[in-house]
Amino acid sequence: KAGVTQTPRYLIKTRGQQVTLSCSPISGHRSVSWYQQTPGQGLQFLFEYFSETQRNKGNFPGRFSGRQFSNSRSEMNVSTLELGDSALYLCASSLRQDSNYGYTFGSGTRLTVV
Amino acid sequence: AQRVTQPEKLLSVFKGAPVELKCNYSYSGSPELFWYVQYSRQRLQLLLRHISRESIKGFTADLNKGETSFHLKKPFAQEEDSAMYYCALSDTGNQFYFGTGTSLTVIP
Repeated sequence: KAGVTQTPRYLIKTRGQQVTLSCSPISGHRSVSWYQQTPGQGLQFLFEYFSETQRNKGNFPGRFSGRQFSNSRSEMNVSTLELGDSALYLCASSLRQDSNYGYTFGSGTRLTVV
Repeated sequence: AQRVTQPEKLLSVFKGAPVELKCNYSYSGSPELFWYVQYSRQRLQLLLRHISRESIKGFTADLNKGETSFHLKKPFAQEEDSAMYYCALSDTGNQFYFGTGTSLTVIP
């Protein structure tokens, strides 16, 4: 079966713009999480959704938001982009409601803010 | 606050030598712990979960609550083990915390 699919793979945006990233989880997976990966900070948790509800949110400013649709697909949005938002954004999905099962990651969207 | 520490950013071992990647955590409850691996040009993938007490690709990890550690071990390193390894902790709220990762290089 198909893995976690993230689109687009690469994005270049200018400061002040906004961006929307998309994630399609593995079929049947209802939990979707988003992470920001940078060389300096490593992997940082953004938020997690289950059945269209945001259950957890990391320590990121309100410019970062997300949502999940009824088909479990998820989007994250970053408004008023800053240079420091340049990163690899990873989406991960999980079959179960709890975290014991672990997550399957997508390949990520590489965002560059210039 | 929950935190995962991987003290070694880089680790090099010779092929056939034992390898141990260290992971320490701080968490007030009963954590779920994981190891993830990222091979060159591949996506991050789950290697093993402490709850499964499994051995994957010869790797094992034992949760030591007294030392709050979850070190990853393999008795005989192989060249294909060269990768970035991340230790991760999940709290009861299903939020994951990742360590900063250890880059393992196995020297032929």
